[in-house]
Amino acid sequence: GAVVSQHPSRVICKSGTSVKIECRSLDFQATTMFWYRQFPKQSLMLMATSNEGSKATYEQGVEKDKFLINHASLTLSTLTVTSAHPEDSSFYICSATSGGPYYEQYFGPGTRLTVT
Amino acid sequence: RKEVEQDPGPFNVPEGATVAFNCTYSNSASQSFFWYRQDCRKEPKLLMSVYSSGNEDGRFTAQLNRASQYISLLIRDSKLSDSATYLCVVKGGSYIPTFGRGTSLIVHP
Repeated sequence: GAVVSQHPSRVICKSGTSVKIECRSLDFQATTMFWYRQFPKQSLMLMATSNEGSKATYEQGVEKDKFLINHASLTLSTLTVTSAHPEDSSFYICSATSGGPYYEQYFGPGTRLTVT
Repeated sequence: RKEVEQDPGPFNVPEGATVAFNCTYSNSASQSFFWYRQDCRKEPKLLMSVYSSGNEDGRFTAQLNRASQYISLLIRDSKLSDSATYLCVVKGGSYIPTFGRGTSLIVHP
């Protein structure tokens, strides 16, 4: 299957700082990328959908000013958690797809964020 | 009613058993369907797409029932390594997938 990388895989930061997570599609052009968050023993929660070159579409309840998403190219999307707080500690996963509804999406390995 | 529903389980089965999961969806206009597998503290990995005619990949068989709006996953000859959470994914006309909460499978010796 297609390869999606995510960096960093793990990050620990202090409360009030910002953290940037990168998601890259390595062997295909990702027209759409998705950002998810997953708390322990809970299901994936879609945070936002981003299409290359346009503003991200955020799910209800997700603050766009806190979770900044940039999809600058067909292979790179970034999620910046601004002014992180301990309750933002979670597993953040991106996924990417190259086409429409019949195309599979491939997930990055995830980033485990811990805010102290 | 939730858009995509799955029995969370866990399903506890012995090695070698056959186990089946169902996933129901509410949007009759849904167009594509997938099963993913997620191991603990890892990202989901695509297991298989689900086609209208049903499809099989080794010990895994997926089927789609549009009339009753559900998809199924059958695992034959369960292995210890099959222990994971199985996620059902449904897409409509847009790119946005809807995930079920997952069904936990535990295969024991």
